[in-house]
Amino acid sequence: ELKVEQNPLFLSMQEGKNYTIYCNYSTTSDRLYWYRQDPGKSLESLFVLLSNGAVKQEGRLMASLDTKARLSTLHITAAVHDLSATYFCAVAGDMRFGAGTRLTVKP
Amino acid sequence: EAGVVQSPRYKIIEKKQPVAFWCNPISGHNTLYWYRQNLGQGPELLIRYENEEAVDDSQLPKDRFSAERLKGVDSTLKIQPAELGDSAVYLCASSLVYEQYFGPGTRLTVT
Repeated sequence: ELKVEQNPLFLSMQEGKNYTIYCNYSTTSDRLYWYRQDPGKSLESLFVLLSNGAVKQEGRLMASLDTKARLSTLHITAAVHDLSATYFCAVAGDMRFGAGTRLTVKP
Repeated sequence: EAGVVQSPRYKIIEKKQPVAFWCNPISGHNTLYWYRQNLGQGPELLIRYENEEAVDDSQLPKDRFSAERLKGVDSTLKIQPAELGDSAVYLCASSLVYEQYFGPGTRLTVT
């Protein structure tokens, strides 16, 4: 059974700092997703990573995929308050989601 | 372009009652997903359709849950009878190739 582990589960950052969220998964997959969810809202697609070594960037967020290590990272650069949300990774196959990382960016 | 539409947005029912959720995907999207999201957790896939065919329903509790996607467009997810543990947000998503677009969800409360 595919298992997806995110860490950390809770992350409190100061504005302007950098940090990385990790997503490990247990079986082979060639597609990985990152989503953002604000409280009480639905999920917003951030990135779809389709191959080993894929790197995508949008604003202060950058995602990468290493299929050999079964690891994806979401890197946050110079965090701002607007990035406060819960971030999920999900692995294709049976679309299994991680537990989410609750990010709070403080002034 | 209209997004994924779901109704109702909120539903409160007593246990043992039936309930149904409706989803209208983005026009032209062949793939439709139903997820359940419990509070504080990630979504859990219940069923995935490719056009009219349910291609992955391994996580659907078939004793009380059913789903259909007639004509390969709209879809309905039903629970009968509902249990207290079914309280959650039910999300519908659709995709054309890889990227999934989620609807606003239906928040179900079973009392």
